[in-house]
Amino acid sequence: GEDVEQSLFLSVREGDSSVINCTYTDSSSTYLYWYKQEPGAGLQLLTYIFSNMDMKQDQRLTVLLNKKDKHLSLRIADTQTGDSAIYFCAESIGSNDYKLSFGAGTTVTVRA
Amino acid sequence: GAVVSQHPSRVICKSGTSVKIECRSLDFQATTMFWYRQFPKQSLMLMATSNEGSKATYEQGVEKDKFLINHASLTLSTLTVTSAHPEDSSFYICSARTGYSYEQYFGPGTRLTVT
Repeated sequence: GEDVEQSLFLSVREGDSSVINCTYTDSSSTYLYWYKQEPGAGLQLLTYIFSNMDMKQDQRLTVLLNKKDKHLSLRIADTQTGDSAIYFCAESIGSNDYKLSFGAGTTVTVRA
Repeated sequence: GAVVSQHPSRVICKSGTSVKIECRSLDFQATTMFWYRQFPKQSLMLMATSNEGSKATYEQGVEKDKFLINHASLTLSTLTVTSAHPEDSSFYICSARTGYSYEQYFGPGTRLTVT
């Protein structure tokens, strides 16, 4: 867990954009992921990005990757109350694409 | 599709007893299952990786004899916490993947409390 860092809390107004930031350490990571966890539920894969990409957009979600700085961000456009959850950043570990190292999670609270 | 269940969702046990947690892939065959442990406001820590029919691979610092993992079929893996102590109290989460995809599908987690 200490290899992936993210801020713990984010409060955003409904309709605004949310940006969640993450830094990682393993430069050989092939995939970087964003997961969402709602109360009492398992982790849901939101999106992922290959390490050779700079940006990926999927509907309201935009992922930016700065490989030089090992910085990953997730932008949620037009944030809704249903977006309130914990968001986890994760990186694949080394040459093994299936083992993941997670950040501590960012709790996003959407206020009306 | 791609649903993973865990049972039980919550368990309270006394110190010194053993507890078994089940992880099932409901609609796909899981060649690999992972067990994680999550402390409050902390990240998921990978405990072990198990492939069907073979011994689990444990992460550094995880006691094999304390956390017994069995992956006897393509749809079921179990984690047994032996001789549980209060410091084993945690949220245990499993995930599963097929042999065809990088994606891991996560279970809802099991809250273990050892008194």
